[in-house]
Amino acid sequence: DAGVIQSPRHEVTEMGQEVTLRCKPISGHDYLFWYRQTMMRGLELLIYFNNNVPIDDSGMPEDRFSAKMPNASFSTLKIQPSEPRDSAVYFCASTPDRGTDTQYFGPGTRLTVL
Amino acid sequence: GQSLEQPSEVTAVEGAIVQINCTYQTSGFYGLSWYQQHDGGAPTFLSYNALDGLEETGRFSSFLSRSDSYGYLLLQELQMKDSASYFCAVPAAGQNFVFGPGTRLSVLP
Repeated sequence: DAGVIQSPRHEVTEMGQEVTLRCKPISGHDYLFWYRQTMMRGLELLIYFNNNVPIDDSGMPEDRFSAKMPNASFSTLKIQPSEPRDSAVYFCASTPDRGTDTQYFGPGTRLTVL
Repeated sequence: GQSLEQPSEVTAVEGAIVQINCTYQTSGFYGLSWYQQHDGGAPTFLSYNALDGLEETGRFSSFLSRSDSYGYLLLQELQMKDSASYFCAVPAAGQNFVFGPGTRLSVLP
């Protein structure tokens, strides 16, 4: 199994630009999570999906952030417009079952907003 | 809501034993997990305790006391490659997963 795949691995953009992060979960996993990690705030859950449906987006910082999961094998996290304070590592993770606590993380996307 | 506390840093020498503690406050509790993260890498799952007691997996063990809202990760026979950050986490209804602030472990030769 290829594991959770994220792209791009690194993204450098300028303030005000739109940023789209992509994630392919492990095949057969019903749950997909988006996290953000910074030194100041640690690892924060932004949103999670179950069977492609957003279940809890209370961690999404503001309206500039949006996430979609059009099918079981693909999800996007979009920031529009981006700001320097959005600079962080964004992780996608998947798990086969809500009852299991083994989350499989992707390698992350390191976002830098200048 | 949920909150977890861990020491920010721990230092130990190769071959030693180290314990990383985690205390939590949750509105609903399903179990305590531990994750390891090397610099520049992604968190990887280490262990999960749903019931009180000690779970052993090789050099790593994890303990849970639900009555004390407390758990720990025990690393034995420390190796240089164990230098990493370690996070405790709780799955909880509604908010789903919440991670602790992490403990940075430095293993010295």
